[in-house]
Amino acid sequence: GAVVSQHPSRVICKSGTSVKIECRSLDFQATTMFWYRQFPKQSLMLMATSNEGSKATYEQGVEKDKFLINHASLTLSTLTVTSAHPEDSSFYICSAWVATGSYGYTFGSGTRLTVV
Amino acid sequence: RKEVEQDPGPFNVPEGATVAFNCTYSNSASQSFFWYRQDCRKEPKLLMSVYSSGNEDGRFTAQLNRASQYISLLIRDSKLSDSATYLCVVNRGQAGTALIFGKGTTLSVSS
Repeated sequence: GAVVSQHPSRVICKSGTSVKIECRSLDFQATTMFWYRQFPKQSLMLMATSNEGSKATYEQGVEKDKFLINHASLTLSTLTVTSAHPEDSSFYICSAWVATGSYGYTFGSGTRLTVV
Repeated sequence: RKEVEQDPGPFNVPEGATVAFNCTYSNSASQSFFWYRQDCRKEPKLLMSVYSSGNEDGRFTAQLNRASQYISLLIRDSKLSDSATYLCVVNRGQAGTALIFGKGTTLSVSS
């Protein structure tokens, strides 16, 4: 089936630094990628939708200048958390829409970010 | 109003019990409906899609009522391994639009 590889799985960074999370579609072309975050005891909250070659669409309340999304190719989407702060510590996960073959949604394995 | 609402539980049941989860959604344009399972803050795993005619997969039965925008999941003969958080999920419209997750219902099955 369609696989999305997400890296890193865990990252600890200092306040004020930036962290990049990558999601690669291994065996299909991901024209659309969704980014979510999940705080403890909360559900997955949609942050943004990115389409290959165009600007991401952010959900209300999500700062686009803080969470930079790049989807420059059909197999790679990245989320960069800029100037990270402890309140950005969360579980970030990507999801892609698979428009052919197995047809459906597939998820990366998630990135646990801790900002100290 | 939240896009997807679920009773967070927790539901604590003994092995062999039957348990039902309910969910409502607010977007009448939603066209795809799912139940996902999430363990220990890992990525969610698709449990089953939900269709208007109702569908069953082994011990799991899902129902959808589009008129009342209501989704349900029934688990029969609960196993210890069923302990997890069950997420009610709908999309925002046509195929390929974003999935919106409910907060999840926590199930704990004990021996």
